[in-house]
Amino acid sequence: QSALTQPASVSGSPGQSITISCTGTSSDVGSYNLVSWYQQHPGKAPKLMIYEGSMRPSGISNRFSGSKSGNTASLTISGLQAEDEADYYCCSYAGGSTSVFGGGTKLTVL
Amino acid sequence: EVQLVQFGGGLVQPGGSLRLSCAASGFTFSSYWMTWVRQAPGKGLEWVANIHKEGSEKNYVDSVKGRFTISRDNAKNSLFLQMNSLRAEDTAVYYCARDGSYYGTGEFDIWGQGTLVTVSS
Repeated sequence: QSALTQPASVSGSPGQSITISCTGTSSDVGSYNLVSWYQQHPGKAPKLMIYEGSMRPSGISNRFSGSKSGNTASLTISGLQAEDEADYYCCSYAGGSTSVFGGGTKLTVL
Repeated sequence: EVQLVQFGGGLVQPGGSLRLSCAASGFTFSSYWMTWVRQAPGKGLEWVANIHKEGSEKNYVDSVKGRFTISRDNAKNSLFLQMNSLRAEDTAVYYCARDGSYYGTGEFDIWGQGTLVTVSS
């Protein structure tokens, strides 16, 4: 049940693309295509942005996309906008009906 | 409207107990796994516990096993977290969340507003 590893911070200018990585192990990220991503603005509850690695819930912009390679999942945000500035968390199924989150990444839009 | 509204929380002394509640509306509560997630002040999210749709399976993060108990009342569309033997490190905002996946594999699509639990003397 060790937390997944995310960079503490990333930044980009409006209109640019950024990618946030999420590294786990062969027991979680590497074993299942069940990574989800959450956006959290200060003082607010998290919001589901991506599930099952690359699926977007209804209402989520197609500027948000997810992928996975080996033990590392990634969230890419294209066409950065000011409102994308937030904390982002990955979460992976870890077997036995349990899940584990990443440490979180603070996205700054310059 | 699909929503989760949380109750409970507050200040409790180390070693004390507290019960959190989460009321669901706008969806068929008994069709979903439910989860508790917490966030210590200034820290990241931590998965705490989940419970099967019918309450037949419960899972916990190691740090709360034997101290916290998750339960649900499908007749009242409610989720609970009984927290005993509380420690300073349990201080956090606690969120209830609906798991939209069929097998409880972590797809938290609806979240409560969060409730702060502070463990301090």
